[in-house]
Amino acid sequence: SYVLTQPPSVSVAPGKTATITCGGNNIGSKSVHWYQQKPGQAPIPVVYDDSDRPSGIPERFSGSNSGNTATLTISRVEVGDEADYYCQVWDSSSDYREVFGGGTKLTVL
Amino acid sequence: QVQLQESGPGLVKATETLSLTCTVSGASTNTYYWSWIRQPPGKGLEWIGRIQYSGSTTYNPSLRSRVTISMDTSKNQFFLKLSSVTAADTATYYCGRRQWQGLVDIWGQGALVTVSS
Repeated sequence: SYVLTQPPSVSVAPGKTATITCGGNNIGSKSVHWYQQKPGQAPIPVVYDDSDRPSGIPERFSGSNSGNTATLTISRVEVGDEADYYCQVWDSSSDYREVFGGGTKLTVL
Repeated sequence: QVQLQESGPGLVKATETLSLTCTVSGASTNTYYWSWIRQPPGKGLEWIGRIQYSGSTTYNPSLRSRVTISMDTSKNQFFLKLSSVTAADTATYYCGRRQWQGLVDIWGQGALVTVSS
């Protein structure tokens, strides 16, 4: 089965850039989606299809995907960006399941 | 505006069947795919399965033997049944609308289901 690996935690100071990675075998061949989840709330997508942003998501959120690593980048981090972030792919190469990464807790210092 | 709302018992006894309903408003279940995802307390997201507007289903292999997803397009609802539950099935259960390439663009608010012994 396909596995996505994320760092458990990332810390960043306000105004700086946060980088959250998502590792998977040849993930660059798949479309990667990223979700933000704040405590007590449902996840919301912040980046889809590697690098597109849903309506209403600030340009500070961007994504890239190549080789075995996809990356979510949050520029000019704000206190309100503190949340859990999950990457996700559709594994169309095997049993067509959706797969989530384990999640990364972003702490804004 | 598309909205999804989970409903069902918040407490289920071990060995029994968990049943949840997702009611969709603002969109028709005759289109798109519709998914169930769960999140144990303090843990990450786990995909359970999805149903296509045609009724075709795909399940997480780790849960396949216990899961059934169905839908009633006349009521704009889809359903989750998980049999033989244990404490490990205690989680917040989310329903969502699945788009192309697996993106879940709209999520319900989630329903906490606790399995009691």
